[in-house]
Amino acid sequence: ETGVTQTPRHLVMGMTNKKSLKCEQHLGHNAMYWYKQSAKKPLELMFVYNFKEQTENNSVPSRFSPECPNSSHLFLHLHTLQPEDSALYLCASSQQYTLAGTDEQFFGPGTRLTVL
Amino acid sequence: AQSVTQPDIHITVSEGASLELRCNYSYGATPYLFWYVQSPGQGLQLLLKYFSGDTLVQGIKGFEAEFKRSQSSFNLRKPSVHWSDAAEYFCAVGANSGGYQKVTFGTGTKLQVIP
Repeated sequence: ETGVTQTPRHLVMGMTNKKSLKCEQHLGHNAMYWYKQSAKKPLELMFVYNFKEQTENNSVPSRFSPECPNSSHLFLHLHTLQPEDSALYLCASSQQYTLAGTDEQFFGPGTRLTVL
Repeated sequence: AQSVTQPDIHITVSEGASLELRCNYSYGATPYLFWYVQSPGQGLQLLLKYFSGDTLVQGIKGFEAEFKRSQSSFNLRKPSVHWSDAAEYFCAVGANSGGYQKVTFGTGTKLQVIP
């Protein structure tokens, strides 16, 4: 596997279910991100992890719970979601914590989440 | 706070025609600027980026963008569009905030290419 991978690619869940999204980066990067992409809205940054430590929680509801056990893996645990949480959830990683020089964020293909 | 405006939600061009996608940003200092492309069912792929130096930036797939500080713009161009360029394009502005890189994206421009 190369780049940033995400599983599952599609997920349908009921409002009372508990599920988890997984992201893995094979780039040796030090920072990882969760974004939410909803129709007709800009990408919304949800969480930032710098080498396993959460450095930003962008006012995300507690029904979303991130976990970063090491610098290569990032999870998003979901519970008691609402239909408005249906969206494409994108994971990204970057070499550096801050923008400098030629750094950039590399994105995974996303998980399409549908909440019934 | 930084922000990005992509005024065109949807653009249709003929294959072989030239393309320009508009992007305006708001940021107090010299920004980091990016263009990403997203094909259906895929994540975002970086086309090009600007940090400093030459204001005309070359990217992948024959794309280029020009940073114009006076107009707060970073428009994306391609001289001849191919059918495979049909996708959604996102402009983004980045800055360092609170010890991490904060990248703010525009709402995107969906490009349709007709034969």
